[in-house]
Amino acid sequence: EIVMTQSPATLSVSPGERATLSCRASQSISSHLAWYQQKPGQAPRLLIYDASTRATGIPAKFSGSGSGTEFTLTISSLQSEDFAVYYCQQYNNWPPLTFGGGTKVEIK
Amino acid sequence: DVQLEESGGGLVQPGGSLSLSCTASGFSFSSYDMNWVRQAPGKGLEWVSYISNGGSTIYYADSVKGRFTISRDNAKNSLYLQMNSLRAEDTAIYYCVRDASVYFDFCWFDPWGQGALVTVSS
Repeated sequence: EIVMTQSPATLSVSPGERATLSCRASQSISSHLAWYQQKPGQAPRLLIYDASTRATGIPAKFSGSGSGTEFTLTISSLQSEDFAVYYCQQYNNWPPLTFGGGTKVEIK
Repeated sequence: DVQLEESGGGLVQPGGSLSLSCTASGFSFSSYDMNWVRQAPGKGLEWVSYISNGGSTIYYADSVKGRFTISRDNAKNSLYLQMNSLRAEDTAIYYCVRDASVYFDFCWFDPWGQGALVTVSS
């Protein structure tokens, strides 16, 4: 089973600043990684797949990068609606499909 | 508009059974692989089960294997999860999710239903 590790667990960012979230895989997953955003009381929403491809309707402020075992989600100029929990998920070697533990982006 | 709507959640005693349903609309359900993903209260996401578009390929997480059964009825645009021998640790919101990948080897989730809460408690 591929273990996904996200860091930090909580990220405090001021509105207007940039947030950088990390996701590490326990073995190489090529570029087979997705990112999701989850706001309180809501279902998760797909942001990025194939490590760097934005899903339909996702603004350019969200960008993904990385390959192999190290991945990054960058959110530029954070607005109030961007404060949420973000999860990464690998689909290179499954079952099982596995998620990271999440990074909570909170207002500083 | 692509939509997934779960139903059937509720309170059940340990050792009991519960069945979840998911009704799909706005897309060709029979063309897509489907999954269940769960989230325990205050915790992260955990993949539960996968079923291919025709139902011939099925996978389960080790934590539910032998207790849960995934199935689908393409004529009714519906996905199901039969949960038996339920445990306290199965308490979670269960999400019905579509496999958005067009490639059999890959699977990411979009969209997600609103979720159904399953509580296992005496």
